[in-house]
Amino acid sequence: TQLLEQSPQFLSIQEGENLTVYCNSSSVFSSLQWYRQEPGEGPVLLVTVVTGGEVKKLKRLTFQFGDARKDSSLHITAAQPGDTGLYLCAGETGTASKLTFGTGTRLQVTL
Amino acid sequence: DVKVTQSSRYLVKRTGEKVFLECVQDMDHENMFWYRQDPGLGLRLIYFSYDVKMKEKGDIPEGYSVSREKKERFSLILESASTNQTSMYLCASSLTGKTQYFGPGTRLLVL
Repeated sequence: TQLLEQSPQFLSIQEGENLTVYCNSSSVFSSLQWYRQEPGEGPVLLVTVVTGGEVKKLKRLTFQFGDARKDSSLHITAAQPGDTGLYLCAGETGTASKLTFGTGTRLQVTL
Repeated sequence: DVKVTQSSRYLVKRTGEKVFLECVQDMDHENMFWYRQDPGLGLRLIYFSYDVKMKEKGDIPEGYSVSREKKERFSLILESASTNQTSMYLCASSLTGKTQYFGPGTRLLVL
């Protein structure tokens, strides 16, 4: 079974701070996706990265795929309370678009 | 608008009961998935289906079975519920190579 480890597991920060979440594996993935899940809801896709070294920006969120396509990071600039949630990375293995999910990072942003 | 619905948001069952969790998608997606989500473990794939009447085991299929008689519906069955199956269950659907869309989840408590 392929494993994706996320760090940190929990993060509590104040509004305006910056943070980075890491997603690491020993396996190579054809693509890497990031989801955010809010309480009582299912995960919602934020971004997909496909090419090694790729960087994608979504407003204050910056996503990077490692050169070897084994790891990824999510950087949030000037966090806001609306960023609060569970962040999940997921690697695609290519069989019927099957995903292996990371262990998750729970982020809380306070005023 | 994309929609994945799950039959119940909350369920309480007794040990040994047979439990059915239903998932319906209205997007004509060929792939459907059942995950369970537990704190610190992320989402773990139980079963998935890439076509009607087709199913494949995921990472943790023991104690579960599935049924896909129609393209839009994917059912998860717990033949004899046990307390270690208390969890959040998430259904998702996708086109091959595309985003997975998740339902809101069913929180199952087995007493």
